[in-house]
Amino acid sequence: DVKVTQSSRYLVKRTGEKVFLECVQDMDHENMFWYRQDPGLGLRLIYFSYDVKMKEKGDIPEGYSVSREKKERFSLILESASTNQTSMYLCASTDRGPVETQYFGPGTRLLVL
Amino acid sequence: AQSVTQLGSHVSVSEGALVLLRCNYSSSVPPYLFWYVQYPNQGLQLLLKYTSAATLVKGINGFEAEFKKSETSFHLTKPSAHMSDAAEYFCAVSDTRGFKTIFGAGTRLFVKA
Repeated sequence: DVKVTQSSRYLVKRTGEKVFLECVQDMDHENMFWYRQDPGLGLRLIYFSYDVKMKEKGDIPEGYSVSREKKERFSLILESASTNQTSMYLCASTDRGPVETQYFGPGTRLLVL
Repeated sequence: AQSVTQLGSHVSVSEGALVLLRCNYSSSVPPYLFWYVQYPNQGLQLLLKYTSAATLVKGINGFEAEFKKSETSFHLTKPSAHMSDAAEYFCAVSDTRGFKTIFGAGTRLFVKA
């Protein structure tokens, strides 16, 4: 059974803190993604990675960075958390096929105070 | 550029009634189209996908969707709603490279007893 896990389900941080969100997949997938989900906006892509140490900006990368040192692990970093980064964060991974089903983790709900 | 529009942020049906969730897309290249479902406090999971084979696509849990190129639509239907179908549904479009998927804003389905 395919599995994508995220390090925390709920997280509360203070403005200015550095925040790490971790995602691990056990499917040997090449591609991994970080999205944020906000009501009425759907999912918006923050960053994605198509290989170890490779990363590409998505549609809303400002205020975020990522790290992929190992194939199975993709980390999202909020360098200095702000209240407008309060959101649900979803990690996903896909095969390198021509039509890619995304497998999602359960999400991390982040509250920045 | 690709985009997805889901008509109706909320849809309410009675148990046993037809479910119809609308999705229109915009794409300059032949698209791959997806419907994902998100149950409360969970990540997204794939319901079905269109990959340029049959225009009528059958998915899990009795859902199906029809690709209509002339209408640029990919509406999701189910003949008879069940209480367990209450969830949020996302339509998505991907380009042929498959690295980036654009998600709609989502439609929350309510099922009344």
